Formats: sequence, C-alpha cells, structure tokens
Amino acid sequence: DAGITQSPRHKVTETGTPVTLRCHQTENHRYMYWYRQDPGHGLRLIHYSYGVKDTDKGEVSDGYSVSRSKTEDFLLTLESATSSQTSVYFCAGGSPGEAFFGQGTRLTVV
Amino acid sequence: AQKITQTQPGMFVQEKEAVTLDCTYDTSDPSYGLFWYKQPSSGEMIFLIYQGSYDQQNATEGRYSLNFQKARKSANLVISASQLGDSAMYFCAMREGQGGGADGLTFGKGTHLIIQP
Repeated sequence: DAGITQSPRHKVTETGTPVTLRCHQTENHRYMYWYRQDPGHGLRLIHYSYGVKDTDKGEVSDGYSVSRSKTEDFLLTLESATSSQTSVYFCAGGSPGEAFFGQGTRLTVV
Repeated sequence: AQKITQTQPGMFVQEKEAVTLDCTYDTSDPSYGLFWYKQPSSGEMIFLIYQGSYDQQNATEGRYSLNFQKARKSANLVISASQLGDSAMYFCAMREGQGGGADGLTFGKGTHLIIQP
C-alpha cells in the first residue's frame, strides 16, 4: 500500500548500537503495528499502537520500544541491537477489516 | 497450540488450474477476522482478502475467494485460473476480538506456491 512508507529500506548496524526504524502513513489509520519476519516463524507482532501515545506490547517485544507522537508516524527503536534482531521488519496500518503493510526494512546486525 | 496452521509448506500447480491453499485457525473468541496475504519474491506483503466471523457469505475479490467453514475453523484461499504471476508465498492471518483491530494479526507460516507453465 503506497500509503505506508518505511525508512530506511536497508540498514546494517553494529551490535550494541541503538537503531530507529520509521513508519510513515498517509491513510489516517488509527491502528499501527510493527512485525518482524524470520524464516520458520512467519510474521510476529512486536508492538502496536491504537492511537497517538497509546501503544502496547506484542508477542516479541523484548529489546524493542515504540513511540507514536502523531498519527502519521510510528517509530520502532532497538535499544541495543543484537544479532538476534537481524530480520525483516514490517510496519502495518489498518482497521478491523483491513491491514496494509509497508515495503519492509531489512536490518542486519553485525 | 498454533493459532493459524497452514499445512502446505509448498505447492506446485499448472498454469490455469484452480488452487486451494489451506488454513485452519484456533480461537475461542466469537468475533474474529481472517486475512490472506501474498508475498512475492520482491518481499512486499499484499493484502488479498478478508472474512469476518459474522459475515454470512464467503468473501470474494476478483480471482480470489475465501472458502470459510466456521464449524471446521477453516478459511481456505481459492485462486481461480492461476497465472504465472501468482507464484509467491501466501500467508493466512487472524485478528481476534472486538477490540476494533488494535491487537494485531497472528500469522501462519505460509505456503510457497509455484505456478508452472
């Protein structure tokens, strides 16, 4: 969905450094989500937001934090990146009957 | 127990044939929604179709239809007249509850569909 844009698309970072991934939407979705996709695990929910400054943890939230200061932007921060956080990260936005994804961010932690 | 089960890791289908991708789900919540996504080799997640638990009719979107059998807790995706461009990973997902969608989706592990000419 062209309404959800992730940046950066690719990133390589070193172990122990903080990393922030950005998700920007133009569709006025109230609900937004961060997922990670790993081989053998499919997509798993990291954190989600149900409004500005309203966020909650998902299935695999350890080591991650999020912020949503305005409707359009949902940030995912890896507080101190580890090799186990090497993954493809997807942002999504939607409503009860739909969920559209951004293009994904491939993050490699070395 | 897995909430979403896709039992076909991979499938090979001849072009122009119909394809059925299996998905079973597990929930005790009477209100839920079921989704199918396509992920081509380029990596993006493409929304295909949605079925709500209270919807009376099976959802359809062009060549895609969802065979929803509530008693069996299955939500199979049917692709009619398959095309080479249908080759991709396909994911089934579920949203539970009446929370308005806040709680996110639970995904199956996917089926890798390959359409052969």
